[in-house]
Amino acid sequence: QKEVEQNSGPLSVPEGAIASLNCTYSDRGSQSFFWYRQYSGKSPELIMSIYSNGDQEDGRFTAQLNKASQYVSLLIRDSQPSDSATYLCAVLNSGYALNFGKGTSLLVTP
Amino acid sequence: ETGVTQTPRHLVMGMTNKKSLKCEQHLGHNAMYWYKQSAKKPLELMFVYNFKEQTENNSVPSRFSPECPNSSHLFLHLHTLQPEDSALYLCASSPAAPTNEKLFFGSGTQLSVL
Repeated sequence: QKEVEQNSGPLSVPEGAIASLNCTYSDRGSQSFFWYRQYSGKSPELIMSIYSNGDQEDGRFTAQLNKASQYVSLLIRDSQPSDSATYLCAVLNSGYALNFGKGTSLLVTP
Repeated sequence: ETGVTQTPRHLVMGMTNKKSLKCEQHLGHNAMYWYKQSAKKPLELMFVYNFKEQTENNSVPSRFSPECPNSSHLFLHLHTLQPEDSALYLCASSPAAPTNEKLFFGSGTQLSVL
């Protein structure tokens, strides 16, 4: 079973702090990695994708990938209350579609 | 809007009913997906259609029957469901499958089976 693991949280950070979200995956052959954000009652939306080892930055978001450790992370700088949501890690392995983790609930407190 | 429309948004059905979920995408994509999202569980892939051909059936019970008449439309026919089938059913599309590009999700159908 190819698994994607995330801590379900909730992760609580104060406004303006850095939120760090982590994900591990079991399929060593995985090549593409994604972070989706899902607000309560809404559908997931893509916020970051990363394909090679290292960091990928987009505004306040940085995705980090370490294939040797089978580890993906998402950093959110200057966290805002509007960032409060569930963050889903997704991995494309040998199948035709993404495998998702359970998601980490993030709460940014004013 | 995401360009992927799902109807109905909410559905309540008895275990003996037959109903259908509908998904339509206006993005010109060739791959469409059904995912199931239950509380405390990861998004579970159910079916994948690529250029109208079913490419993946993720061991889904036969009480769920997909139909993809063309690349823009996807249905999920439901019959004799169980209470544990209550969940959010999400449709998604992408240019093709597999894809390194993002999935475009619909708003989902919240299904309750009584």
